[in-house]
Amino acid sequence: QVTLRESGPALVKPTQTLTLTCTFSGFSLSTYEMRVSWIRQPPGKALEWLARIDWDDDEFYSPSLRTRLTVSKDTSKNQVVLTMTNMDPIDTATYYCARTRSDSGTYYLDFWGQGTPVTVSS
Amino acid sequence: SSELTQDPAVSVALGQTVRITCQGDGLRRYSASWYQQKPGQAPLLVIYDKNNRPSGIPDRFSGSGSGNTASLTITGAQAEDEADYYCNSRERKGNHFVVFGGGTKLTVL
Repeated sequence: QVTLRESGPALVKPTQTLTLTCTFSGFSLSTYEMRVSWIRQPPGKALEWLARIDWDDDEFYSPSLRTRLTVSKDTSKNQVVLTMTNMDPIDTATYYCARTRSDSGTYYLDFWGQGTPVTVSS
Repeated sequence: SSELTQDPAVSVALGQTVRITCQGDGLRRYSASWYQQKPGQAPLLVIYDKNNRPSGIPDRFSGSGSGNTASLTITGAQAEDEADYYCNSRERKGNHFVVFGGGTKLTVL
C-alpha cells in the first residue's frame, strides 16, 4: 500500500533553512504521471500548497514562495526533499507531503503523510 | 487569499443532507477534489475529479459541479462526518499549481 512519512526538525530559528524529507513506499517517482507535493497548514488555518516534483523531474512552486523553496527527489531512496530558506515565525505550521495524481487536467492528492510540525522561534 | 472560496462553517442535523460549496473561476475549466480533515489528523481524499470516490469512502459522499461552483454533498450525515472540508483544483490560469479553498467546518447537530 501507499505510505508517506515526513521527517525533519521540529524547531528552527529565524533566518535558518528548513530541510524536510518525505520518505514514501508503494509507488515509484520514476513511474509516468507520479508526483509528490508539499503542503503546509499553520495552526488553526487552511491548507497551503507549496511545491511539487514530477516523475520527469519537473518542479513547480507556489508563486508566493517561489524564491525560498527547492524540491528534489532521490528515486533510488524513494525520497523527496523540500528546503525552505530564510525561515520566519509566520512559517510555523504542520508540513505534509502527499502523492499527487492528475485526471482531466486537474490535480488531486490521494495519499498523505501524517505531517510534521515545525516551529520557528529563537 | 485563496482562489477558491468556501463558506467558513456549515451545520447539518444528524441523518440529513448537506451541501458544501467551493467557488472559483478556475472551476470553469478544472474539476475539484475534496478532502476531509479531522482534528489532529492529515487530510483524507473523499472525492476526486468532480465525482469519483476513492476506495473505502462511503457512498453518502458525492461531488458535482457547474460553472464556477463545485459541491460536496453528504447524504445522511453521520456524527463521524463532523470535520473540516477542503476543496482543491488547479490554478485558474492553467499553470501547474495546486490551489486549496479556505476550508469549511462541518458541524453535525
